[in-house]
Amino acid sequence: QKEVEQNSGPLSVPEGAIASLNCTYSDRGSQSFFWYRQYSGKSPELIMFIYSNGDKEDGRFTAQLNKASQYVSLLIRDSQPSDSATYLCAVNGIQGAQKLVFGQGTRLTINP
Amino acid sequence: EPEVTQTPSHQVTQMGQEVILRCVPISNHLYFYWYRQILGQKVEFLVSFYNNEISEKSEIFDDQFSVERPDGSNFTLKIRSTKLEDSAMYFCASRQGTGGAYGYTFGSGTRLTVV
Repeated sequence: QKEVEQNSGPLSVPEGAIASLNCTYSDRGSQSFFWYRQYSGKSPELIMFIYSNGDKEDGRFTAQLNKASQYVSLLIRDSQPSDSATYLCAVNGIQGAQKLVFGQGTRLTINP
Repeated sequence: EPEVTQTPSHQVTQMGQEVILRCVPISNHLYFYWYRQILGQKVEFLVSFYNNEISEKSEIFDDQFSVERPDGSNFTLKIRSTKLEDSAMYFCASRQGTGGAYGYTFGSGTRLTVV
């Protein structure tokens, strides 16, 4: 079983709509959960992270965490073409280790 | 906003040569990491470093690799006798503390091409 799983996409969303990105993880003891955006050939750029169950909002972005279901999601409201990128879910604390374990990423395209 | 700085941005080397990738973490961060990403693949953990020693290393981080913090600001990754399959983006990251409230900041990466 993969430690962090994401749908690789591509996910296509019209401009102005809500983009929903999902991620599941295998280790129930995982501590914190990160969403990064990565443009082609560039480094991961932190969008936000969450470590408590529930929702966390930052501007147009909302992260949702459900530890019972081992599920974390990212919602992007009012999607813009500049949001087109690969979104990486990363989990810290798998098997107690202090390091990030990444999913394979979801490629998101926002269509004007 | 503080940044993690990596140099060089791109390095081309011949197979069998040694390369050193350099990173300057954020000044008040205590935990340092190297990750790599082979083209089209996911970001993979290589090694973590704290208090001047390796905390954890992955299976990828074999005897070919070493890390050092030579002067209190730089954090380097050395790859001895490079192989074609070492071609990848290498990212340095740093973190101020451990626990759920601390994020990881990534540098802009070094693209290593082994020919």
